[in-house]
Amino acid sequence: EVQLVQSGAEVKKPGESLKISCKGSGYSFTSYWIGWVRQMPGKGLEWMGIIYPGDSDTRYSPSFQGQVTISADKSISTAYLQWSSLKASDTAMYYCARHVPAANSLDYWGQGTLVTVSS
Amino acid sequence: SSELTQDPAVSVALGQTVRITCQGDSLRSYYASWYQQKPGQAPVLVIYGKNNRPSGIPDRFSGSSSGNTASLTITGAQAEDEADYYCNSRDSSGNHLGVFGGGTKLTVL
Repeated sequence: EVQLVQSGAEVKKPGESLKISCKGSGYSFTSYWIGWVRQMPGKGLEWMGIIYPGDSDTRYSPSFQGQVTISADKSISTAYLQWSSLKASDTAMYYCARHVPAANSLDYWGQGTLVTVSS
Repeated sequence: SSELTQDPAVSVALGQTVRITCQGDSLRSYYASWYQQKPGQAPVLVIYGKNNRPSGIPDRFSGSSSGNTASLTITGAQAEDEADYYCNSRDSSGNHLGVFGGGTKLTVL
């Protein structure tokens, strides 16, 4: 069974750093892209970027380029999303999902990680 | 343009058929995928490709496309279909990245 399990909710202060994780199981982690999606409170879904764990090829949506860093450790089947200096506007739910470009689809999703940034 | 446009809200009577649409230039070249999101839950893929349903998705869900418009049709809507629905397709970057529509809130009356 394909599963993506994300790390738990975080409460941080502005200016702090953060790294959240997404662990894949039940499939070949290195053979599929992983995408990260943001959902701000009461809003829609936004693509942030994708990574191919097999070779760490990483691509960012223009709105998120330079704002976050996506990485992966294929030895432990885990992808990461990190911030060096959080802002209040980073408060959102963040989802990872397995991305299949040939089908233009995100076929399996993690449960989401809620990040709250508040002073 | 990489934008996808959806109606913000649609309603349907229980047991009736509803179509949720998504418009955008990228849909002339690429199929859309559709996601159902219920409150407090992660999105779930319901349609991808020409008209493919992942395992476990009821066959009352179907997809179609014409020109710059993709549609998700629910034939015989059930109370449990009340949710937000998002379309997704490729963006114009050629980087395998996608773009979501703004979402449609479906109310089953």
